[in-house]
Amino acid sequence: DQQVKQNSPSLSVQEGRISILNCDYTNSMFDYFLWYKKYPAEGPTFLISISSIKDKNEDGRFTVFLNKSAKHLSLHIVPSQPGDSAVYFCAASTGTYKYIFGTGTRLKVLA
Amino acid sequence: DARVTQTPRHKVTEMGQEVTMRCQPILGHNTVFWYRQTMMQGLELLAYFRNRAPLDDSGMPKDRFSAEMPDATLATLKIQPSEPRDSAVYFCASGLVGGAPMGIQYFGAGTRLSVL
Repeated sequence: DQQVKQNSPSLSVQEGRISILNCDYTNSMFDYFLWYKKYPAEGPTFLISISSIKDKNEDGRFTVFLNKSAKHLSLHIVPSQPGDSAVYFCAASTGTYKYIFGTGTRLKVLA
Repeated sequence: DARVTQTPRHKVTEMGQEVTMRCQPILGHNTVFWYRQTMMQGLELLAYFRNRAPLDDSGMPKDRFSAEMPDATLATLKIQPSEPRDSAVYFCASGLVGGAPMGIQYFGAGTRLSVL
């Protein structure tokens, strides 16, 4: 049973436009969320986080939104750049440092 | 340049053979994680350690997988005997409890395992 779901395996976006990656979770006890980016042949690298006491966190071109009632979070990348092409994972934790990861969404930014 | 180092990067073996993957966590980190990446399951947590003690290995097939931390600079993941369904990329990650933001894990580049 997947507690963290990324229902879109892939997404293509034009350079300069907004990329929106979605993540749904089922466990209402999750209170901390991370997004990671992964390039081929590399390990995932941390991108941005959000705790359940917030509904938005912003870092440069990256913004994460959390909708607790819908158990949904999204990552917005504006403007998208070709270097953003990667696999993006969302992950959730109940505060134990043990994170449950989603299956990832492959983003392709077209030049 | 602090990073998590995993060896080997690639491993091809035959079914039934023992496989050992190694990980050197970032110096000073007190938590180490082992993940397996598959197409269907994404990143599955296999086991994790805090201060070298195993905290959770519920994601690991116990009959063939084992994880240890002989010392603070080395974590190992062994598969014996290996099976074709074990073919995947295995990642090690380390982190510092109490670091901010909470729970950031730093990943190695992974070991790509192919069991024929």
